[in-house]
Order: sequence, then structure tokens, then C-alpha cells
Amino acid sequence: EVQLVESGGGFVRPGGSLTLSCGVSGLTFSNAWMSWVRQAPGKGLEWVGRIKSRSVGGTTEYAAPVKGRFTISRDDSKNTVYLQMNTLKSEDTAVYYCTTITGYWGHGTLVTVSS
Amino acid sequence: QSVLTQPPSASGTPGQRVTISCSGSSSNIGSNYVYWYQQLPGTAPKLLIYRNYQRPSGVPDRFSGSDSGTSASLAISGLRSEDEADYYCVAWDDNLSAYVFGTGTKVTVL
Repeated sequence: EVQLVESGGGFVRPGGSLTLSCGVSGLTFSNAWMSWVRQAPGKGLEWVGRIKSRSVGGTTEYAAPVKGRFTISRDDSKNTVYLQMNTLKSEDTAVYYCTTITGYWGHGTLVTVSS
Repeated sequence: QSVLTQPPSASGTPGQRVTISCSGSSSNIGSNYVYWYQQLPGTAPKLLIYRNYQRPSGVPDRFSGSDSGTSASLAISGLRSEDEADYYCVAWDDNLSAYVFGTGTKVTVL
């Protein structure tokens, strides 16, 4: 069974930083292209960014609203993908999901940015 | 800002057929696969359709996907009360180098 488990969410002040983790099991993580998707309260789904597998360079791509502030990385030895979020804004408040986009999703972790 | 446009709502009575459209452009739906997700309140999205019309194992054949040019559609036949949920399409956009989600459609079973 494939499982994706996010952690690291919480409350943070505007301008602060937070790092989310997503542990993956049940699939060949090293081959997986991993994305982060967020959902603000009462709103739709918004893609945040993705990291490709190391076999094709491990490169990253980001949505415009987070580019330059968020960084996605991966540790294939730990089957884990990370989302480092800096200079957080109130509009970053959302449930953050780790996903392959092609089918597997975690249950999400809530990030609240507020003064 | 969503690049894929869906109707905000759709409804039907039990047993009816409901169709949800997803309108995009040549840089997304026109050149890449479309995925459809169902999201029940308070839960993570669940994959219904992948690669435009493929159905994962365990998804009832009441759900079907299709695409035509720069648009895609999700059809739910034999509507059931448990189909009440939000539905999203998503595709890669070559111009934005980003995944773009649809605006979402809330399905109500009357």
C-alpha cells in the first residue's frame, strides 16, 4: 500500500519560515516526481511546485506565487520530500498536500500564517 | 489563478447523468494528459481518471473521462448520493511550466 505522510505544519507569524516533510512508502520513491499542492480554507486546489527524480536531474519548478520563497528538496535515502517555506504571508495559509499528482496523495498538513 | 475553467456547480437526481467540463488551452489540455479528482469535505483528493480517460482500479465505471482539443469532460452516470463532492481537473501547462488545476465543480445530488 502506498502511503504519503506529511508533517511539520503549524502556526507561524508573517515573515517566518517553516519546513514541511513528506515521508513516502510503498512505491519506488527514487523514481517518483513529487509535487506539493495547497488548499486555502474554502478554496480550490493550487499547485505549489514539484521536484523530478534524480535520474532526470532532480530539478524543481514552482508556481509563480511561491517562486523565490519556497524550496522543494528530496532525500531518496529517507524516501522523503521537503517543502521549505520562507517569508511566509497570510495568503500562504492552507492545507499542504504532498502528491505524485498522478494518483497518490497524503492527508495534508495545515499551515497557518497569522499575526 | 486557475487556468482551467470548470462550472462552479452541477446537480442531478439519483440515477441521472452529470457532465463536468474543463476548458483549457493548447498549452495544457491540448498537449498534456488530464487528471480528474474527487474531493469529499475534509479529505484529500481521490483520483478518478488519469491520462484523460483511464480509470484506476476501484473507481466505479460510472465515472468516465473524455477530451476534445483544448477541453476535457468528466461524466458521472447513475448519480448516487455519495457522489456529492467537489471535482477538479488538472493538467501540466507547457507555457507556465506548472500544473494547473481547474476552478472546481461542486456536485449536488438533489
